[in-house]
Amino acid sequence: AQSVTQLDSQVPVFEEAPVELRCNYSSSVSVYLFWYVQYPNQGLQLLLKYLSGSTLVKGINGFEAEFNKSQTSFHLRKPSVHISDTAEYFCAVTRKGTGGFKTIFGAGTRLFVKA
Amino acid sequence: DAGITQSPRHKVTETGTPVTLRCHQTENHRYMYWYRQDPGHGLRLIHYSYGVKDTDKGEVSDGYSVSRSKTEDFLLTLESATSSQTSVYFCAISESQQGRRTEAFFGQGTRLTVV
Repeated sequence: AQSVTQLDSQVPVFEEAPVELRCNYSSSVSVYLFWYVQYPNQGLQLLLKYLSGSTLVKGINGFEAEFNKSQTSFHLRKPSVHISDTAEYFCAVTRKGTGGFKTIFGAGTRLFVKA
Repeated sequence: DAGITQSPRHKVTETGTPVTLRCHQTENHRYMYWYRQDPGHGLRLIHYSYGVKDTDKGEVSDGYSVSRSKTEDFLLTLESATSSQTSVYFCAISESQQGRRTEAFFGQGTRLTVV
């Protein structure tokens, strides 16, 4: 069965500090990987995606993630966070099954950026 | 913003009553999904559709049914609502390009309370 584990439920960090949000997945087949962000009382927005090619993926708002196939990880990083980055972040894995593409989400990591 | 509309946005209903949530898209995307979001669980897939009249179960499908009679509409029905189905429900759409699934676009969510 496919699963996604976000290793930290909450990450507090000071403004302008670097941050890493960790994501591991389990799957025996090829997958596509995504990070989404959710601001309060809103839906999810795509930060970045890995479909194929270069394992280092750059997204919006200065975020980037690295796909590591051997460790089945897709960690999200930002070198310097802002107060406005405070939100919940979700890692997601998509694979193709008999009924088409199915996406599974992690439980989320709440990022708190402090002044 | 992607053309996804969820209705209603908020609903309070009594235990044992049937409830139908509607997701409407104007993007002509093939895939449509229903997720529920609960604290500590992230987004969990309820059902999804990979075409008109083509649907499949997700992780937490018990107590829910879906229908898709046309491309633009995906309905989620709670046959007999229970308090455990109190949640925020999100609809998402996506398309597949050259066999690779693109990212999902999310609606604004429906907050359902079962009393």
